[in-house]
Amino acid sequence: SQTIHQWPATLVQPVGSPLSLECTVEGTSNPNLYWYRQAAGRGLQLLFYSVGIGQISSEVPQNLSASRPQDRQFILSSKKLLLSDSGFYLCAWSRGQNTGELFFGEGSRLTVL
Amino acid sequence: GENVEQHPSTLSVQEGDSAVIKCTYSDSASNYFPWYKQELGKRPQLIIDIRSNVGEKKDQRIAVTLNKTAKHFSLHITETQPEDSAVYFCAASSPEYGNKLVFGAGTILRVKS
Repeated sequence: SQTIHQWPATLVQPVGSPLSLECTVEGTSNPNLYWYRQAAGRGLQLLFYSVGIGQISSEVPQNLSASRPQDRQFILSSKKLLLSDSGFYLCAWSRGQNTGELFFGEGSRLTVL
Repeated sequence: GENVEQHPSTLSVQEGDSAVIKCTYSDSASNYFPWYKQELGKRPQLIIDIRSNVGEKKDQRIAVTLNKTAKHFSLHITETQPEDSAVYFCAASSPEYGNKLVFGAGTILRVKS
């Protein structure tokens, strides 16, 4: 069976500090990978998605970047965090090619102070 | 790109009553419409989905209807229970936009016992 792991679960960072959130998927190959952000009481905003190693598409201009160094690894980064980067970050995967269910990780709650 | 609007933003019902959440989408090429349930502090999880070649789908107390002509779809929950209290998100995806899911803003459902 497939599983998705995301870490860390929570973190508190000062403004201007770097960020690295990691996500790995097990039990499948060549998944589509996604990073979503959910601000408090708000919907799910797609930040990045990837259909393969090294292939990253950005949905919104922002202070964040993503990388996919391996087939089942997706990393969300920032060099200098802003207050507005606070939120609940969700990694997700789906099977390639066809539209289908999106499977979410447990989420990472980021508070920037 | 695709735009999904969801109403109402909050919904309170008495236990045992029915709840209906409605969504509209903009891209007539969209062909996949899932609904996700998110409990407080947890990841969204798929509860039901429908594809554009089907008008209605039911799974026990939940059902989804799709009107392709009007470009709207709805979630129906019957005999609501306190454990149905959560945030519900609709979403739509279109092959013209890489089959990426675009989410509605969410509906907070409260079931009062």
